Amino acid sequence: NAGVTQTPKFQVLKTGQSMTLQCAQDMNHNSMYWYRQDPGMGLRLIYYSASEGTTDKGEVPNGYNVSRLNKREFSLRLESAAPSQTSVYFCASSGQGYEQFFGPGTRLTVL
Amino acid sequence: DAKTTQPTSMDCAEGRAANLPCNHSTISGNEYVYWYRQIHSQGPQYIIHGLKNNETNEMASLIITEDRKSSTLILPHATLRDTAVYYCIVRGDAGNNRKLIWGLGTSLAVNP
Repeated sequence: NAGVTQTPKFQVLKTGQSMTLQCAQDMNHNSMYWYRQDPGMGLRLIYYSASEGTTDKGEVPNGYNVSRLNKREFSLRLESAAPSQTSVYFCASSGQGYEQFFGPGTRLTVL
Repeated sequence: DAKTTQPTSMDCAEGRAANLPCNHSTISGNEYVYWYRQIHSQGPQYIIHGLKNNETNEMASLIITEDRKSSTLILPHATLRDTAVYYCIVRGDAGNNRKLIWGLGTSLAVNP
């Protein structure tokens, strides 16, 4: 039981490049989330998916797209990376209980 | 969702109780109080949550005032591994809305 996994762990991009961050959970959770965390800040919600087949914008969706591929997987895509998107990205999932389970994060630098 | 206010930082001696306060004066009747912590840039970890009554689990206790405008997270015997940023979050639980709005949290340093 791995919980929430994220790939890659680290990534460096040049401005304008695209990439997809992958997230998977093996807890059969309905809801999944993408957050970003900038230095010294709390987490900000980018997108979330309340159930398979649905996605909704969070606080800071601009510049990102998401895909809920199936119940297990929720990916985050940066179409044209900008230096302002340098951050740590966390994926999380939640089931019928009250807690969200977080992955280890992806550390992204955009030059 | 209601806004929370927490001290920026706190210190605690190892082995002593750590009491972390949180103010949520605009909390609504159906909103829960959640606590998470984040150790050294790892993914956040759920600690405890409550609505009205005090709660206790293997990690911590949560004390909520009778008017629900503030709460305190208690780590009964703090260890060095409890050094982390602690987040107090208030959220409703209507339907499938499980969004959490995160503040800056309290940076707790447990000292030997």
